[in-house]
Amino acid sequence: EDQVTQSPEALRLQEGESSSLNCSYTVSGLRGLFWYRQDPGKGPEFLFTLYSAGEEKEKERLKATLTKKESFLHITAPKPEDSATYLCAVQASGGSEKLVFGKGTKLTVNP
Amino acid sequence: ETGVTQTPRHLVMGMTNKKSLKCEQHLGHNAMYWYKQSAKKPLELMFVYNFKEQTENNSVPSRFSPECPNSSHLFLHLHTLQPEDSALYLCASSLTQGKDEQYFGPGTRLTVT
Repeated sequence: EDQVTQSPEALRLQEGESSSLNCSYTVSGLRGLFWYRQDPGKGPEFLFTLYSAGEEKEKERLKATLTKKESFLHITAPKPEDSATYLCAVQASGGSEKLVFGKGTKLTVNP
Repeated sequence: ETGVTQTPRHLVMGMTNKKSLKCEQHLGHNAMYWYKQSAKKPLELMFVYNFKEQTENNSVPSRFSPECPNSSHLFLHLHTLQPEDSALYLCASSLTQGKDEQYFGPGTRLTVT
C-alpha cells in the first residue's frame, strides 16, 4: 500500500530562520511527487512536481528535492507570509494514478 | 472567474436534508476530482471523472452521489448524511487524469447536525 509520512507535524520558526520539511514515502513505482501549500480555509495550492531522484525545483524561498525514499522542502530565510500547512502527495505508476497525501506540516513563521 | 470555484463555501444541513455541492473549473481541464478533508487526516480521494466518465469511486457510501454533466462542472449530491461526514469537501481538476498536477478549489465547509 502506498504511504506518505510528513514530519514534523508542526514547525515554528523565527523570520529568517531556514529549515526543512520532510516527506517520506513508500510506493511501488513513483510517477511523481507533489508539494502543495494550504492556507486556513482554502484549498491546496500547487507548488512543485518532482519525477525522479536527484531532481530539484525552486520557487522564491522554497526548494524541493527528491531521493528514492523521501523529499525535502527547504525554506530559506522564511517570512511570516510563508506560514501555512505544506502537503506532500505521491502518485504511483501503473496503478490507479490517484494521489496519496500525507497529513501535512503546519509551518508558523514568527516576525 | 478563474481557476476552480466551489459553491456554497459553507453549508449546514440536518441528517434528513438533501443538498448539492457545485464545482466549476475555468482551466480547460478534462479530469475532475472530489476529495474529503477531515481534521488530523490526509486528504481522501472520493471520486474521479475523466472526460465526463467516472473512473474512480474510492469506496464512498451511497449517500454521496457525484454527477459530471460536462468537463467543466462537477456536483456532489448529499442525502441522509451522518455527523461524521462533516468536513471540508474539495474539488480539483487536472488536464487529464493521472498525468498532471491537480488544481484545487477553495472547498465547501460542511457541517451535519
